[in-house]
Amino acid sequence: EADIYQTPRYLVIGTGKKITLECSQTMGHDKMYWYQQDPGMELHLIHYSYGVNSTEKGDLSSESTVSRIRTEHFPLTLESARPSHTSQYLCASSGPGHLNEQFFGPGTRLTVL
Amino acid sequence: AQKVTQAQTEISVVEKEDVTLDCVYETRDTTYYLFWYKQPPSGELVFLIRRNSFDEQNEISGRYSWNFQKSTSSFNFTITASQVVDSAVYFCALSGITQGGSEKLVFGKGTKLTVNP
Repeated sequence: EADIYQTPRYLVIGTGKKITLECSQTMGHDKMYWYQQDPGMELHLIHYSYGVNSTEKGDLSSESTVSRIRTEHFPLTLESARPSHTSQYLCASSGPGHLNEQFFGPGTRLTVL
Repeated sequence: AQKVTQAQTEISVVEKEDVTLDCVYETRDTTYYLFWYKQPPSGELVFLIRRNSFDEQNEISGRYSWNFQKSTSSFNFTITASQVVDSAVYFCALSGITQGGSEKLVFGKGTKLTVNP
């Protein structure tokens, strides 16, 4: 079973607040990912990292930023939250090798009022 | 570019019925991987299976089975004797490459399965 954690699970905040969504994994995986899942269920890759100090933007443009200072930790930050950021955010990681399966965390459901 | 199509948005069955979830993919890669994930109401995605493009053997795991056919670019998923606990959203995914040249998963839009008692 994969060991990947996200906090908080649920977050309701007001517009303009700065928030950080936490993601950590204990598997030593180099590759980590952030997905945004809209109410219509579709998943969109917004950020990924192939290792410490490596971050790239995904296919879906996002106002969020990420950092990767430690292998196990991949936080996502919104400097000024807006209602359009309301969504489910899923973090994932994958092991060494080519095109491996990704293991997902439980997700953070964010609501911006 | 890679694409995954799950034409069934929602399926509703009665317990013990068999149900097949369809997945059709597009890719120009000769080597690729296909995946199925389950997302129960709790929200996390659970990995079910990974299949590479060179292995067309069908796979069975308990009540789950997968039918991979390269000729029709399909990777269908069948649940036999469905149970209420199978109720979830199921995603088919295809390995791909981002615009920056890195790996990614391309997901279908998902099929919501409801199994009624």
